[in-house]
Amino acid sequence: DQQVKQNSPSLSVQEGRISILNCDYTNSMFDYFLWYKKYPAEGPTFLISISSIKDKNEDGRFTVFLNKSAKHLSLHIVPSQPGDSAVYFCAASAEQTGANNLFFGTGTRLTVIP
Amino acid sequence: NAGVMQNPRHLVRRRGQEARLRCSPMKGHSHVYWYRQLPEEGLKFMVYLQKENIIDESGMPKERFSAEFPKEGPSILRIQQVVRGDSAAYFCASSPTVTGSITGANVLTFGAGSRLTVL
Repeated sequence: DQQVKQNSPSLSVQEGRISILNCDYTNSMFDYFLWYKKYPAEGPTFLISISSIKDKNEDGRFTVFLNKSAKHLSLHIVPSQPGDSAVYFCAASAEQTGANNLFFGTGTRLTVIP
Repeated sequence: NAGVMQNPRHLVRRRGQEARLRCSPMKGHSHVYWYRQLPEEGLKFMVYLQKENIIDESGMPKERFSAEFPKEGPSILRIQQVVRGDSAAYFCASSPTVTGSITGANVLTFGAGSRLTVL
Protein backbone atom coordinates (compact mmCIF):
# COMPACT_ATOMS: atom_id res chain seq x y z
CA ASP A 1 0.00 0.00 0.00
CA GLN A 2 1.88 3.02 -1.33
CA GLN A 3 0.79 5.99 0.76
CA VAL A 4 3.17 8.39 -0.95
CA LYS A 5 3.24 8.32 -4.73
CA GLN A 6 5.54 9.81 -7.28
CA ASN A 7 3.95 8.96 -10.59
CA SER A 8 6.73 10.22 -12.82
CA PRO A 9 9.75 7.92 -12.65
CA SER A 10 11.87 10.33 -14.66
CA LEU A 11 12.05 13.94 -15.82
CA SER A 12 14.44 15.70 -18.20
CA VAL A 13 14.88 19.46 -18.13
CA GLN A 14 17.16 21.88 -19.94
CA GLU A 15 19.72 23.70 -17.83
CA GLY A 16 18.38 27.05 -16.64
CA ARG A 17 14.73 26.01 -16.92
CA ILE A 18 12.37 25.08 -14.11
CA SER A 19 12.11 21.51 -12.82
CA ILE A 20 8.80 20.52 -11.23
CA LEU A 21 8.62 17.25 -9.36
CA ASN A 22 5.26 16.06 -8.11
CA CYS A 23 4.13 13.93 -5.21
CA ASP A 24 0.72 12.73 -4.05
CA TYR A 25 -0.26 11.15 -0.76
CA THR A 26 -3.29 9.30 0.49
CA ASN A 27 -3.03 9.46 4.27
CA SER A 28 -4.79 12.55 5.61
CA MET A 29 -2.89 12.16 8.90
CA PHE A 30 0.38 13.17 7.24
CA ASP A 31 1.39 16.57 8.52
CA TYR A 32 5.05 16.90 7.67
CA PHE A 33 6.62 16.50 4.26
CA LEU A 34 10.19 16.31 3.08
CA TRP A 35 12.16 16.03 -0.11
CA TYR A 36 15.37 14.05 -0.24
CA LYS A 37 17.90 13.97 -3.06
CA LYS A 38 19.93 10.86 -3.83
CA TYR A 39 23.02 10.50 -5.97
CA PRO A 40 24.16 7.05 -7.15
CA ALA A 41 25.99 5.01 -4.51
CA GLU A 42 25.11 7.53 -1.82
CA GLY A 43 22.39 7.77 0.79
CA PRO A 44 19.49 10.19 0.47
CA THR A 45 20.27 13.71 1.68
CA PHE A 46 17.69 16.06 3.09
CA LEU A 47 16.76 18.91 0.77
CA ILE A 48 13.74 20.81 2.04
CA SER A 49 10.65 20.25 4.16
CA ILE A 50 7.25 21.74 4.85
CA SER A 51 4.81 21.48 7.69
CA SER A 52 1.10 21.14 6.98
CA ILE A 53 0.48 24.52 8.58
CA LYS A 54 2.17 26.10 5.56
CA ASP A 55 1.51 25.94 1.86
CA LYS A 56 4.92 27.07 0.65
CA ASN A 57 8.51 26.90 1.79
CA GLU A 58 11.43 28.36 -0.11
CA ASP A 59 15.15 27.78 0.22
CA GLY A 60 17.27 29.32 -2.47
CA ARG A 61 16.53 27.67 -5.81
CA PHE A 62 14.23 25.13 -4.16
CA THR A 63 10.57 25.74 -3.32
CA VAL A 64 8.08 23.19 -2.02
CA PHE A 65 4.36 23.77 -2.43
CA LEU A 66 1.71 21.91 -0.45
CA ASN A 67 -1.93 21.59 -1.45
CA LYS A 68 -3.60 19.82 1.46
CA SER A 69 -7.05 19.62 -0.10
CA ALA A 70 -5.59 17.83 -3.11
CA LYS A 71 -3.10 15.86 -1.00
CA HIS A 72 -0.43 17.00 -3.38
CA LEU A 73 2.97 18.58 -3.06
CA SER A 74 5.54 19.66 -5.57
CA LEU A 75 9.17 20.63 -5.61
CA HIS A 76 10.25 23.44 -7.91
CA ILE A 77 13.89 23.92 -8.81
CA VAL A 78 14.74 27.10 -10.66
CA PRO A 79 17.03 27.58 -12.38
CA SER A 80 17.91 23.92 -12.83
CA GLN A 81 21.60 23.02 -12.91
CA PRO A 82 23.38 19.89 -14.14
CA GLY A 83 24.42 19.15 -10.56
CA ASP A 84 20.75 18.80 -9.68
CA SER A 85 20.63 15.56 -11.68
CA ALA A 86 19.70 12.93 -9.09
CA VAL A 87 16.79 10.87 -7.83
CA TYR A 88 14.36 12.90 -5.74
CA PHE A 89 12.27 11.22 -3.06
CA CYS A 90 9.19 12.71 -1.50
CA ALA A 91 8.54 11.62 2.10
CA ALA A 92 5.81 12.19 4.65
CA SER A 93 5.22 11.59 8.31
CA ALA A 94 2.27 11.79 10.70
CA GLU A 95 3.98 13.60 13.50
CA GLN A 96 0.83 14.44 15.42
CA THR A 97 0.03 10.75 15.77
CA GLY A 98 3.42 10.13 17.27
CA ALA A 99 4.53 8.02 14.36
CA ASN A 100 8.23 7.48 14.19
CA ASN A 101 8.86 6.80 10.58
CA LEU A 102 8.84 8.42 7.19
CA PHE A 103 6.88 7.08 4.23
CA PHE A 104 8.76 7.49 0.98
CA GLY A 105 7.65 7.68 -2.62
CA THR A 106 9.37 5.63 -5.30
CA GLY A 107 11.44 8.57 -6.52
CA THR A 108 11.75 10.66 -9.66
CA ARG A 109 15.01 10.66 -11.58
CA LEU A 110 15.78 14.21 -12.68
CA THR A 111 18.21 14.77 -15.53
CA VAL A 112 19.28 18.34 -16.21
CA ILE A 113 20.67 18.64 -19.71
CA PRO A 114 23.52 21.15 -20.13
CA ASN B 1 32.18 15.19 12.20
CA ALA B 2 31.54 11.91 10.44
CA GLY B 3 28.07 11.24 9.14
CA VAL B 4 26.15 8.02 9.44
CA MET B 5 28.57 5.18 8.74
CA GLN B 6 27.38 1.91 7.29
CA ASN B 7 29.38 -1.20 6.57
CA PRO B 8 29.86 -3.21 4.61
CA ARG B 9 28.94 -1.17 1.55
CA HIS B 10 28.47 -4.34 -0.47
CA LEU B 11 27.75 -7.81 0.81
CA VAL B 12 27.26 -10.97 -1.20
CA ARG B 13 25.68 -13.99 0.42
CA ARG B 14 24.43 -17.35 -0.79
CA ARG B 15 20.94 -18.48 0.01
CA GLY B 16 20.69 -19.75 3.56
CA GLN B 17 23.60 -17.73 4.92
CA GLU B 18 23.38 -14.91 7.42
CA ALA B 19 23.88 -11.23 6.63
CA ARG B 20 24.92 -8.65 9.20
CA LEU B 21 24.78 -4.97 8.41
CA ARG B 22 26.23 -2.36 10.72
CA CYS B 23 25.37 1.26 11.29
CA SER B 24 27.09 3.88 13.43
CA PRO B 25 24.87 6.95 13.85
CA MET B 26 26.07 10.50 13.66
CA LYS B 27 27.79 11.77 16.77
CA GLY B 28 25.18 13.02 19.18
CA HIS B 29 22.35 11.07 17.54
CA SER B 30 20.58 8.53 19.72
CA HIS B 31 17.87 7.37 17.32
CA VAL B 32 18.51 4.87 14.55
CA TYR B 33 16.23 3.84 11.72
CA TRP B 34 16.64 1.10 9.14
CA TYR B 35 15.07 1.35 5.69
CA ARG B 36 15.12 -1.07 2.79
CA GLN B 37 14.99 -0.16 -0.87
CA LEU B 38 14.03 -2.94 -3.23
CA PRO B 39 14.77 -2.50 -6.95
CA GLU B 40 12.47 0.06 -8.57
CA GLU B 41 10.85 0.92 -5.25
CA GLY B 42 11.08 3.66 -2.67
CA LEU B 43 12.58 3.31 0.76
CA LYS B 44 10.46 1.25 3.14
CA PHE B 45 10.69 1.69 6.90
CA MET B 46 11.79 -1.40 8.78
CA VAL B 47 12.65 -0.55 12.38
CA TYR B 48 13.33 2.33 14.75
CA LEU B 49 15.66 1.89 17.70
CA GLN B 50 17.11 3.83 20.55
CA LYS B 51 20.01 2.60 22.63
CA GLU B 52 19.13 -0.90 23.92
CA ASN B 53 15.49 -0.50 22.89
CA ILE B 54 13.42 -1.36 19.85
CA ILE B 55 10.79 1.35 19.65
CA ASP B 56 8.96 0.41 16.46
CA GLU B 57 9.55 -2.71 14.38
CA SER B 58 6.29 -2.57 12.46
CA GLY B 59 8.09 -2.63 9.11
CA MET B 60 10.28 -5.58 9.88
CA PRO B 61 9.45 -8.99 8.41
CA LYS B 62 8.30 -11.27 11.22
CA GLU B 63 10.82 -13.99 10.49
CA ARG B 64 14.57 -14.06 9.87
CA PHE B 65 15.06 -10.32 10.47
CA SER B 66 16.26 -8.78 13.72
CA ALA B 67 17.84 -5.52 14.79
CA GLU B 68 19.66 -4.26 17.82
CA PHE B 69 21.29 -1.07 19.01
CA PRO B 70 23.45 -2.00 22.00
CA LYS B 71 24.68 0.37 24.66
CA GLU B 72 28.12 0.24 23.10
CA GLY B 73 28.83 -0.16 19.43
CA PRO B 74 26.88 0.15 16.21
CA SER B 75 23.35 -0.83 15.41
CA ILE B 76 23.15 -4.18 13.66
CA LEU B 77 20.54 -5.45 11.23
CA ARG B 78 20.70 -9.23 10.99
CA ILE B 79 19.08 -11.32 8.31
CA GLN B 80 19.17 -15.05 8.86
CA GLN B 81 18.84 -17.68 6.14
CA VAL B 82 18.83 -15.09 3.39
CA VAL B 83 16.74 -15.60 0.26
CA ARG B 84 17.03 -13.94 -3.15
CA GLY B 85 14.17 -11.59 -2.29
CA ASP B 86 16.32 -10.05 0.45
CA SER B 87 18.60 -8.54 -2.21
CA ALA B 88 18.23 -4.81 -1.73
CA ALA B 89 19.91 -1.67 -0.52
CA TYR B 90 19.61 -1.27 3.23
CA PHE B 91 19.86 2.29 4.51
CA CYS B 92 20.43 3.36 8.06
CA ALA B 93 19.48 6.82 9.26
CA SER B 94 19.88 8.62 12.54
CA SER B 95 18.35 11.62 14.24
CA PRO B 96 18.98 13.46 17.49
CA THR B 97 15.35 13.06 18.58
CA VAL B 98 12.10 11.83 17.08
CA THR B 99 11.84 13.00 13.50
CA GLY B 100 9.35 15.42 12.06
CA SER B 101 9.15 18.04 14.75
CA ILE B 102 7.28 21.25 14.04
CA THR B 103 10.53 23.15 13.74
CA GLY B 104 11.79 20.76 11.14
CA ALA B 105 15.04 20.44 12.99
CA ASN B 106 15.00 16.72 13.45
CA VAL B 107 15.22 15.28 9.99
CA LEU B 108 16.82 11.95 9.30
CA THR B 109 20.45 11.79 8.18
CA PHE B 110 21.10 8.75 6.02
CA GLY B 111 24.15 6.63 5.54
CA ALA B 112 25.37 5.60 2.11
CA GLY B 113 23.67 2.23 2.39
CA SER B 114 24.66 -1.43 2.31
CA ARG B 115 23.84 -3.31 -0.83
CA LEU B 116 23.05 -6.95 -0.18
CA THR B 117 23.14 -9.41 -3.05
CA VAL B 118 21.89 -12.92 -2.46
CA LEU B 119 23.07 -15.47 -5.00
